[in-house]
This record gives sequence, C-alpha cells and structure tokens, in this order.
Amino acid sequence: RKEVEQDPGPFNVPEGATVAFNCTYSNSASQSFFWYRQDCRKEPKLLMSVYSSGNEDGRFTAQLNRASQYISLLIRDSKLSDSATYLCAGPYRGSTLGRLYFGRGTQLTVWP
Amino acid sequence: NAGVTQTPKFQVLKTGQSMTLQCAQDMNHEYMSWYRQDPGMGLRLIHYSVGAGITDQGEVPNGYNVSRSTTEDFPLRLLSAAPSQTSVYFCASAPQGSDTQYFGPGTRLTVL
Repeated sequence: RKEVEQDPGPFNVPEGATVAFNCTYSNSASQSFFWYRQDCRKEPKLLMSVYSSGNEDGRFTAQLNRASQYISLLIRDSKLSDSATYLCAGPYRGSTLGRLYFGRGTQLTVWP
Repeated sequence: NAGVTQTPKFQVLKTGQSMTLQCAQDMNHEYMSWYRQDPGMGLRLIHYSVGAGITDQGEVPNGYNVSRSTTEDFPLRLLSAAPSQTSVYFCASAPQGSDTQYFGPGTRLTVL
C-alpha cells in the first residue's frame, strides 16, 4: 500500500462551487501533512500545512482525520485561478527529515 | 534570495550518456531532496540529504548518484542514461526540523 493515495480526478467545477479532495495515508505515526499546488509545467508550491486537526486560510480549509487516516482539502467559492493540480504529501516513512511522499495529484479545472 | 535554482532547464541525452543535474539553494537549508515527476505518477523521491556529507536513497534511486559536499549544492548524476529516465526532475530544500519543501523550477530531461 502506498504511503499516500489520492484520487486523481479530474474535477471540473463551475466558478463559485465548493470542491473537496481527499488523501489517505498508511503510516499512522506521521504527524504532519501538506497540500501543494502545481500549475502546468511549473514546480509545486506549498498551499497549506496540516499538523493537527485542521488549518484554514481564506477559502481553503485543510483537515486531518487521524482515526480514519485521511486528509482533505476544501476549496470554497472556486475561482478560475484555482485551476491547477493539487498534491497531498506526508513525511517519507514517517520521518521529519525534510523528505516527503507525494500523492499522484488531483487535477482541478474551474470553468466560467 | 534566489531560493532553489536548477540547471539546465531542458536537456536531451542519448541512451548511455552521462550527465549531472545541478541544484543549489541559498537559504542555508540543511535538507535537500531530488524528485522525479512522470505523468500520472506524482513526485517520487530519488535521493535526499540531511546535511553536508550525508545522503541516502529514496523510493527510486537506481541509476542515479548524489553527493553533498556543501550545504548549498546537491547535484544529481545520471551514470548511463536510459529512456526510462525521461522525466521532469525537481530539486527541493527544507530547513532543519521542517517537512515544508521549497522546490526549484525543474529540469525537463529526455533520453532518446
């Protein structure tokens, strides 16, 4: 079983919609998780970190469910500019040594 | 600060050729990593380093070598390129005690 598994989508939603992505993880010892955003042909950039129960930043909310071992990303009031691939990530083999295990990414397209 | 820089941006090799992908960071980060990204596969960890003189293998290390003689630089060497190594390569760094990765812009490698 992969350390982090992610639904690849794609998700196609209209502007203003609410969309949610989920990732499951296998290493119960992992303490921190991340959501990265990647635009086409660009490097991933950190969107949000999740260290405990959750994190909120404007229209974006990330949550961690330790009992069920999944993390989620909720985007409210979607904008055209939210179109991108969203990658979830957790510590590689549960460590905190700056190395991550990434999911395969979920592609989001927001249409007008 | 330039952040994480990678050279070259693009490279075409013939099977059997060797080359070095360069990565440098000016943020004094202890942790550095190399990932490859293939369509539908997300990012996979190749090698990582927790400090100068210390390196270790990640998920897909075969065919690649690394060294870390300074904190700033973390080159990735392809010893004998194969078509299966056609990919986009990202270098990343993180400060000590953090899993937050800062990515370089990537190198697009094609092996014919």
